[in-house]
Amino acid sequence: SQQGEEDPQALSIQEGENATMNCSYKTSINNLQWYRQNSGRGLVHLILIRSNEREKHSGRLRVTLDTSKKSSSLLITASRAADTASYFCATGSGGYNKLIFGAGTRLAVHP
Amino acid sequence: GAVVSQHPSRVICKSGTSVKIECRSLDFQATTMFWYRQFPKQSLMLMATSNEGSKATYEQGVEKDKFLINHASLTLSTLTVTSAHPEDSSFYICSARDEGQSYNEQFFGPGTRLTVL
Repeated sequence: SQQGEEDPQALSIQEGENATMNCSYKTSINNLQWYRQNSGRGLVHLILIRSNEREKHSGRLRVTLDTSKKSSSLLITASRAADTASYFCATGSGGYNKLIFGAGTRLAVHP
Repeated sequence: GAVVSQHPSRVICKSGTSVKIECRSLDFQATTMFWYRQFPKQSLMLMATSNEGSKATYEQGVEKDKFLINHASLTLSTLTVTSAHPEDSSFYICSARDEGQSYNEQFFGPGTRLTVL
């Protein structure tokens, strides 16, 4: 079962602009991860943020986590056409760190 | 980095046949693997947790007799879709957990697209 919601469902921007995607979840977590998926392909792991962390950076990616609000955001700065993909958050919980995925945001970056 | 493979990448079958999908961790051992299903333009839905040497744990609403999971070794888990029907057509993705990583990162396979005619 899907745990969380992501918004927006779809986002269309121009190259060079920033893209922000939000994710909310319902239960306690070990960590929250963001993945990227190009159409019809497998998942690419982008970044993991632990439940005791508030912010993390990786290249043009910035992830925040607010456990009090049970929400996270992914910011992609200076977007490129190649960033066009679907982005999913996934919360890890339990001993096996089982991942439950959000609904995803479809990002389109136009040249 | 850790690599997970799936075979086949694409399969088309007739209604009523059974289809087996393999998931392998190529350069690490995985006592735990996960199987997901993804319908077009939707998110991944966790189907089951596969544990080496024991029975799989299925998520609510997933028929264990329909989706047979066997995790016979530390590098291989298989998902068999029994008596497949058109509504089983989907993208099936596996992941393997590398217990050597402190944060239990999962590594995903490239997926198997199943089309049932």
